[in-house]
Amino acid sequence: GEDVEQSLFLSVREGDSSVINCTYTDSSSTYLYWYKQEPGAGLQLLTYIFSNMDMKQDQRLTVLLNKKDKHLSLRIADTQTGDSAIYFCAEVKGISGGSYIPTFGRGTSLIVHP
Amino acid sequence: DAGVTQSPTHLIKTRGQQVTLRCSPKSGHDTVSWYQQALGQGPQFIFQYYEEEERQRGNFPDRFSGHQFPNYSSELNVNALLLGDSALYLCASSLVMAERDGYTFGSGTRLTVV
Repeated sequence: GEDVEQSLFLSVREGDSSVINCTYTDSSSTYLYWYKQEPGAGLQLLTYIFSNMDMKQDQRLTVLLNKKDKHLSLRIADTQTGDSAIYFCAEVKGISGGSYIPTFGRGTSLIVHP
Repeated sequence: DAGVTQSPTHLIKTRGQQVTLRCSPKSGHDTVSWYQQALGQGPQFIFQYYEEEERQRGNFPDRFSGHQFPNYSSELNVNALLLGDSALYLCASSLVMAERDGYTFGSGTRLTVV
């Protein structure tokens, strides 16, 4: 496909793990990002993974990268109500002269129930 | 350290009018990118400015233009507004060759065209 694809909604119970999935478009993408957007706010960078990595862990966040399938996932351990937000996957298809342009998916709305 | 600041936060314009949105990048950043985020969608890349020149452009008509000033701040101009231009306009700043830092986003300008 030509677009970064994400499922639109995910609902979990507080304390459970959340897994948000993303399919990106270009197998040669260099950097892949996860951003978080809370209501009325801009996007906040959560984490990134470079294309030569399979996994990256950062506190409660685990990113898995499957380059063969062009699949990226974000796991949030011990999900809290404050994690309720929209999560965007983004890929950088190429870097030219230091210029890099993230291309975003439509976002996954994570709803955490108490 | 102030992040990315955008003004105004909200704006209502009439079809056919022109609008100017403003952005001050995060201190130390030299590159400014603009995105349009329609309701329920991911951010769509409009263009990027570096060294006061448009460096890359997304699939947006010439009605969308911009400028970057010597202090790295930027403006987005939209002429002949259409109802479909109603969206959240996000400014993001970055540092050239610093892909692992990603973009820092402002909170956006909500433009409503009536």
